[in-house]
Amino acid sequence: QQQVKQSPQSLIVQKGGISIINCAYENTAFDYFPWYQQFPGKGPALLIAIRPDVSEKKEGRFTISFNKSAKQFSLHIMDSQPGDSATYFCAANTNAGKSTFGDGTTLTVKP
Amino acid sequence: KAGVTQTPRYLIKTRGQQVTLSCSPISGHRSVSWYQQTPGQGLQFLFEYFSETQRNKGNFPGRFSGRQFSNSRSEMNVSTLELGDSALYLCASTQGRLGNEQFFGPGTRLTVL
Repeated sequence: QQQVKQSPQSLIVQKGGISIINCAYENTAFDYFPWYQQFPGKGPALLIAIRPDVSEKKEGRFTISFNKSAKQFSLHIMDSQPGDSATYFCAANTNAGKSTFGDGTTLTVKP
Repeated sequence: KAGVTQTPRYLIKTRGQQVTLSCSPISGHRSVSWYQQTPGQGLQFLFEYFSETQRNKGNFPGRFSGRQFSNSRSEMNVSTLELGDSALYLCASTQGRLGNEQFFGPGTRLTVL
């Protein structure tokens, strides 16, 4: 049973545009929602994370929007840059050390 | 602070063999988690160790096992390798108490022939 559904599978955005990746979860026990960025040949790197008592969190060009009632959360990348081209994973945790990941979104930012 | 280190980075084995992968967490982190990453299945949780005890376990067969030492270093072992075990095996460390932030290592790329 896939507990975290991520869309789209791939995304192409022009430089300077906004990239939006969406995730939906089923388990209401999840209490921590991180986003990871992964470049080829590297492990995932934590980008930004949110807890369900907050509806939005912004760090630089990256924003998480969280809708607890809809059990959905999304990542917005403002002013997307070619260097942002990577695979992005959403995840959800019920406790430290165990993450359930979405399938990933391959983002390509065209110059 | 040094990041999470994994050894070896690349490994080639044949079916039926066994393999041991190693992970050194960030200094001070007591929790180590292991994940399998494949193109078809994505990132799948294997198990997590905290203070030398397995605290969480994913849905993998018993051929996959792990352990953690008193210095928080961890190893995972896969016995009787199958072709489908070819994957990137990732280790992540967290402080393990209140913090959920996971820091991943670069992974070990295992190829089973």
